[in-house]
Amino acid sequence: AQSVAQPEDQVNVAEGNPLTVKCTYSVSGNPYLFWYVQYPNRGLQFLLKYITGDNLVKGSYGFEAEFNKSQTSFHLKKPSALVSDSALYFCAVRDTGRRALTFGSGTRLQVQP
Amino acid sequence: NAGVTQTPKFQVLKTGQSMTLQCAQDMNHNSMYWYRQDPGMGLRLIYYSASEGTTDKGEVPNGYNVSRLNKREFSLRLESAAPSQTSVYFCASRRGEGEAFFGQGTRLTVV
Repeated sequence: AQSVAQPEDQVNVAEGNPLTVKCTYSVSGNPYLFWYVQYPNRGLQFLLKYITGDNLVKGSYGFEAEFNKSQTSFHLKKPSALVSDSALYFCAVRDTGRRALTFGSGTRLQVQP
Repeated sequence: NAGVTQTPKFQVLKTGQSMTLQCAQDMNHNSMYWYRQDPGMGLRLIYYSASEGTTDKGEVPNGYNVSRLNKREFSLRLESAAPSQTSVYFCASRRGEGEAFFGQGTRLTVV
């Protein structure tokens, strides 16, 4: 069965510093990986995905993610954090059996001014 | 472009009451999903529909039923609500193997 792990419940970073939100995955076959962001009282918004191609994927709002097959990781990154990036971030992997997405538990990002 | 629309946004039920959560998408997607979100547990799949006329159980289907009314609409029904079903419910749709698009959620409290 597919699964994703987000080992950090919360990440704190100062505005202007680089940020990393970690995700590791377990799949059989080729991984299809996704990052979503959730602002308070809102639905999930798509940030970026990896299906095939370059290991560095660029997405919305200046975010990027690095796919690392050997470490089975797909960490979300941004070179310079903004206070407005404070939100809940979810990593997800394609569930080939159910043709759905399986989500991690989420990581809350707090960017301090 | 409305995307995925869920109704209602908020609901309070008494234990044992029933209700239906409505979801509609206007993106002509084949696949639709119902997830529930609970603190510290991420999103868990309740039911999904890979295409019009088909529905299948996800991770946590007990206590729920679904109907794929047509390609646009996918409803979730709680026949006899329990406090354990207090949660935020999200509907989503998806084309092929791409990203899923989510509604704004329904915040349900069962007392």
